[in-house]
Amino acid sequence: GESVGLHLPTLSVQEGDNSIINCAYSNSASDYFIWYKQESGKGPQFIIDIRSNMDKRQGQRVTVLLNKTVKHLSLQIAATQPGDSAVYFCADYNTDKLIFGTGTRLQVFP
Amino acid sequence: EADIYQTPRYLVIGTGKKITLECSQTMGHDKMYWYQQDPGMELHLIHYSYGVNSTEKGDLSSESTVSRIRTEHFPLTLESARPSHTSQYLCASSMTGVNIQYFGAGTRLSVL
Repeated sequence: GESVGLHLPTLSVQEGDNSIINCAYSNSASDYFIWYKQESGKGPQFIIDIRSNMDKRQGQRVTVLLNKTVKHLSLQIAATQPGDSAVYFCADYNTDKLIFGTGTRLQVFP
Repeated sequence: EADIYQTPRYLVIGTGKKITLECSQTMGHDKMYWYQQDPGMELHLIHYSYGVNSTEKGDLSSESTVSRIRTEHFPLTLESARPSHTSQYLCASSMTGVNIQYFGAGTRLSVL
């Protein structure tokens, strides 16, 4: 079956450092991926997306990298801030549905 | 900021009670979704709708039911709540042709 999984359940970084959150997917036919951020007590919030015909996409302080060969994508957050503390989910869009992986909790220390 | 609203935000209720979780969006999106999420875990799709009078079951089996009588409204009902229904329920919506789903803040349900 299809699965979208993250390598690490918790990532701790110091404020100002860069963060890298990883995600593996199993369905080679997946053609669209989304990263969501979920803060405590809130619903997931869209961060950035990428299509399978791209290998990199940049937003404001965030970059998503896609490696289709090994079915892996990552979310890079530059100059991590306390407000970045949250759970991050990758989601794979396939057959009109989003399949969410287990989230990674990002903790930012001063 | 997404214009999708869920009420109530928190609900504590006894076993056997009937409950309805409300979800409304003002973005004119035709697709709407319900997800179930345990704390710190992934989201599981339990229901979705492509538009008015369309409802489909998601990947995770659920005893809840949904209705879509109006575009903006997608309520979820549990006829007889049980402790196993304790979870967070998230509603989302999207526009046809756009894959991004926008989420409400969720309803945290506790069944005693």
